[in-house]
Amino acid sequence: QQPVQSPQAVILREGEDAVINCSSSKALYSVHWYRQKHGEAPVFLMILLKGGEQKGHEKISASFNEKKQQSSLYLTASQLSYSGTYFCGTHSGGYQKVTFGTGTKLQVIP
Amino acid sequence: GAGVSQSPRYKVTKRGQDVTLRCDPISSHATLYWYQQALGQGPEFLTYFNYEAQPDKSGLPSDRFSAERPEGSISTLTIQRTEQRDSAMYRCASSLGGQGRGDTQYFGPGTRLTVL
Repeated sequence: QQPVQSPQAVILREGEDAVINCSSSKALYSVHWYRQKHGEAPVFLMILLKGGEQKGHEKISASFNEKKQQSSLYLTASQLSYSGTYFCGTHSGGYQKVTFGTGTKLQVIP
Repeated sequence: GAGVSQSPRYKVTKRGQDVTLRCDPISSHATLYWYQQALGQGPEFLTYFNYEAQPDKSGLPSDRFSAERPEGSISTLTIQRTEQRDSAMYRCASSLGGQGRGDTQYFGPGTRLTVL
């Protein structure tokens, strides 16, 4: 089952904040966040592990609610370079398979 | 190598032909993934390898698709008797491996396959 992201798209002005949500129907061991710019490969942002451990980007924060099987990515004081499509990826145990979400397209305008 | 590389970057083929795509992962990475990505969509899992072992190939759409990694480094994805619906971006990613909860994946530039 593919995780569902919301919103599907958002437009921000520089300096504004955004929250992107990711929801899964399965119990999660970890949640991964990636950003993909048009025509480029996805780039790792952050991983959140069951138990509270986080690894990732200094300027981006995220939360992981294990009970609700949800994660949120927080982008504060957005910059033009934040534009792109954000994907969450979920790992539900069993080998290394990560299932990517539906994506959230973020556009930051001056 | 410094990053994940894939070849060819673009492939145009006629329906019914076989194609083979290549992925060269980061040299220290044990785990290698193959994804299919449609325009505007997230990467869709096809299969993955831990070294040369292929624990999960549940995402391969049909038996026309196969992948191998015989020496635990370079991998190939082969699509036999291609169909127009196979047209997509095929991405490879690699990770250090050994993390039971999934670890950071480094994606390659992809191969854009067009089946005419």
